[in-house]
Amino acid sequence: EVQLEESGGGLVKPGGSLRLSCAASGFPFSDAWMTWVRQAPGKGLEWVGHIINKRDGETAAYAAPVKGRFTISRDDSQNTVYLQMTSLNTDDTAVYYCTKDVPLTMGTAALYWGQGTLVTVSS
Amino acid sequence: QSALTQPPSVSGSPGQSVAISCTGTSSDVGTYNRVSWYQQAPGTVPKLIIYDVTNRPSGVPDRFSGSKSGNTASLTISGLQAADEADYYCSSWTSRNTLLFGGGTKLTVL
Repeated sequence: EVQLEESGGGLVKPGGSLRLSCAASGFPFSDAWMTWVRQAPGKGLEWVGHIINKRDGETAAYAAPVKGRFTISRDDSQNTVYLQMTSLNTDDTAVYYCTKDVPLTMGTAALYWGQGTLVTVSS
Repeated sequence: QSALTQPPSVSGSPGQSVAISCTGTSSDVGTYNRVSWYQQAPGTVPKLIIYDVTNRPSGVPDRFSGSKSGNTASLTISGLQAADEADYYCSSWTSRNTLLFGGGTKLTVL
């Protein structure tokens, strides 16, 4: 059974940093493209970015609002993907979900979702 | 980059069919067959119901179907049920190597 468990959310002041983790199990993690999606309170879904597997280059792509501030990385030995967030602002307040896609859809079809972790940016 | 355009709300009676549109541009929906649809009931995690325009993950009823014409993708739900009441989101891969979501559509079953 595929399981994704996010952690690391919490309250942070504007300008601060936070690192989210997503522990995965139940599938060959090293083969997977992993994606972060966020949802602000009462709002819609927003793609944050993804990281592709090592075989395909282990590169990451980001949405424009977070590019240069957020970094996605992975540790295949720990079956964990990370989202390092810096220079946080109030617009980053959201539930952050870690997702795994349908195989061979290149991160475009999030079949499995974690329960999410809430990040609140407030002074 | 603006979100894909979805109607804010649609409604239908049990047993009827409803369609939700998702309009993008030639830089996303119009070029890529990487269009997905998600269902999110209140207080729950989104659920993938359609991927690659027309494909259904295992377990999703065939009442849910997807299509695309030009820059617009559509989700059709036939035989509407009370349990279908939820928010629906589309997404598409884009030429900027990003994924774009629609703003979401609230489906009300009358």
